[in-house]
Amino acid sequence: GNSVTQMEGPVTLSEEAFLTINCTYTATGYPSLFWYVQYPGEGLQLLLKATKADDKGSNKGFEATYRKETTSFHLEKGSVQVSDSAVYFCALISSGSARQLTFGSGTQLTVLP
Amino acid sequence: DAGVIQSPRHEVTEMGQEVTLRCKPISGHNSLFWYRQTMMRGLELLIYFNNNVPIDDSGMPEDRFSAKMPNASFSTLKIQPSEPRDSAVYFCASRPETGRGTEAFFGQGTRLTVV
Repeated sequence: GNSVTQMEGPVTLSEEAFLTINCTYTATGYPSLFWYVQYPGEGLQLLLKATKADDKGSNKGFEATYRKETTSFHLEKGSVQVSDSAVYFCALISSGSARQLTFGSGTQLTVLP
Repeated sequence: DAGVIQSPRHEVTEMGQEVTLRCKPISGHNSLFWYRQTMMRGLELLIYFNNNVPIDDSGMPEDRFSAKMPNASFSTLKIQPSEPRDSAVYFCASRPETGRGTEAFFGQGTRLTVV
């Protein structure tokens, strides 16, 4: 079956530090890949996505590149802000008929001023 | 569009009582997902509907849990009888079937506390 593995948290950074959250996946076919963000007390919202190999998704200074050869979709940001503190989830949707949405375990990010 | 609407936002109930959580997906979306989120287990997929038909309910914890989607604009998740270990935030999400890269949209969640 499909699975998503994220780096363990929590992650604590100082403002303006560089962020990487690793994500690797296992899936049949050619999945679409997503990063979702969850702010305290809220639901998940889409941060960025990529639908095919070598695509780069970007939003709000965050980027992730779909790497088929390494089955990875690592999230990066060059300079984090306190407002980026949240839980980040890597996810995929399989290309088969099931179209299930599979999530990683989430990574808690705290950015200190 | 108002997005995915869940009700209630918060529910506190006593052990043994029946609890019903409600979800209104975004109009036109074909897929609907119910998730449970806890500190210990993270985000778990409970059940997935496509065109109102349950496709995968392997994540439903036990027979006390049941989900229905009587039409394209409404779904319920019922727990009967409820237990303290069911305390969690329950999310509903919907997704259109318009293409490979279309994302799922989440509701604000229902925070359930069983005492």
